[in-house]
Amino acid sequence: AQTVTQSQPEMSVQEAETVTLSCTYDTSESDYYLFWYKQPPSRQMILVIRQEAYKQQNATENRFSVNFQKAAKSFSLKISDSQLGDAAMYFCAYRYQGGSEKLVFGKGTKLTVNP
Amino acid sequence: SAVISQKPSRDICQRGTSLTIQCQVDSQVTMMFWYRQQPGQSLTLIATANQGSEATYESGFVIDKFPISRPNLTFSTLTVSNMSPEDSSIYLCSARGGPGGYTFGSGTRLTVV
Repeated sequence: AQTVTQSQPEMSVQEAETVTLSCTYDTSESDYYLFWYKQPPSRQMILVIRQEAYKQQNATENRFSVNFQKAAKSFSLKISDSQLGDAAMYFCAYRYQGGSEKLVFGKGTKLTVNP
Repeated sequence: SAVISQKPSRDICQRGTSLTIQCQVDSQVTMMFWYRQQPGQSLTLIATANQGSEATYESGFVIDKFPISRPNLTFSTLTVSNMSPEDSSIYLCSARGGPGGYTFGSGTRLTVV
């Protein structure tokens, strides 16, 4: 069964600085998607960034980028120029490309941004 | 991507009663998903709901406790039956909202007293 591990329950960063959130996963599949979701106190799950496993190029979305290491099964999220609004729970998630479309989530990392 | 309206946003219920949570999607989607998020925890998938077929439940979740309806491609309900305090959680629905992406409802915070 696929598993997703986030080893950092909590992280903090100073405003305008850079922070990296870690995620590793376990799968025997070769085709899959990886996601980072943000959940602020409002509970709304917001897609931050998505990576297709077949793409070697790391995904980027403005201040958010990933370091995808397929062989190491690692998928870290880098947030540059952190803003107060980035404070939230961040969840790493995996989805196998075939079969069931369900997402498997990690336990989450709570990010605090200090002014 | 799809937008999901979920209601109620919160409720306080007596033990032994049932609560039905509704999710309305603004476009047709094949699959919808129901998650439970216990306080301070991650999301755990309860079941996957396809239109026109029985929902597929994950290990540890049963239809008698969490019956799901999926009458059409834009709507689904989850009922939490015979509630106990252990059912106090946030419940979220989700749907595929584009290539590889998912959209979530805003969640229902359930407190059972």
